[in-house]
Amino acid sequence: DTGVSQDPRHKITKRGQNVTFRCDPISEHNRLYWYRQTLGQGPEFLTYFQNEAQLEKSRLLSDRFSAERPKGSFSTLEIQRTEQGDSAMYLCASSSQGASTEAFFGQGTRLTVV
Amino acid sequence: AQKVTQAQTEISVVEKEDVTLDCVYETRDTTYYLFWYKQPPSGELVFLIRRNSFDEQNEISGRYSWNFQKSTSSFNFTITASQVVDSAVYFCALSEEYSGGGADGLTFGKGTHLIIQP
Repeated sequence: DTGVSQDPRHKITKRGQNVTFRCDPISEHNRLYWYRQTLGQGPEFLTYFQNEAQLEKSRLLSDRFSAERPKGSFSTLEIQRTEQGDSAMYLCASSSQGASTEAFFGQGTRLTVV
Repeated sequence: AQKVTQAQTEISVVEKEDVTLDCVYETRDTTYYLFWYKQPPSGELVFLIRRNSFDEQNEISGRYSWNFQKSTSSFNFTITASQVVDSAVYFCALSEEYSGGGADGLTFGKGTHLIIQP
């Protein structure tokens, strides 16, 4: 396993379209996190899964955003009716435990909404 | 609520100089964890170090060293004899250990853009 992988790396979409991103975590990691990073800022927590259960959502995650992790393996993050303010880097991370262990990050999906 | 402050937005030094990146944190928890990550231009966050709130021992790893001081809520990062390859954005981050075990992920600072000039 070479680490966390995300697909696609870049996505350009028109405002109002739906987009879906995929994250494949490190295989033995049961925790998976989604973060959003805008230019000049640090990553901001969006949501996390322990196995297939989504245990926490940030208030940043509006009802246009939905995340899934079927069977506790890969995860998808969908944004419906995209807005220009959704333009950001979306980062996925995984870890073997909770707060006490380091999270390993993927290279991110850069979303541009035009 | 937790908060991480990295007051230095950008630092530029000449290669071989020593440089310290500052990090100040706020938390109400007694058990928490501090991290430093490096983000090179490629975008992937690279883990550098983790420290728990009960371990104030400073750590050295090659040219990198970390100074954790609970009294001032600081977790500073020093690069000795900097190299051009150290150029990146560096993030300090915090996670808290609730009774259920760290539910809400990492809280990051805004990052410090470190530029090492040859």
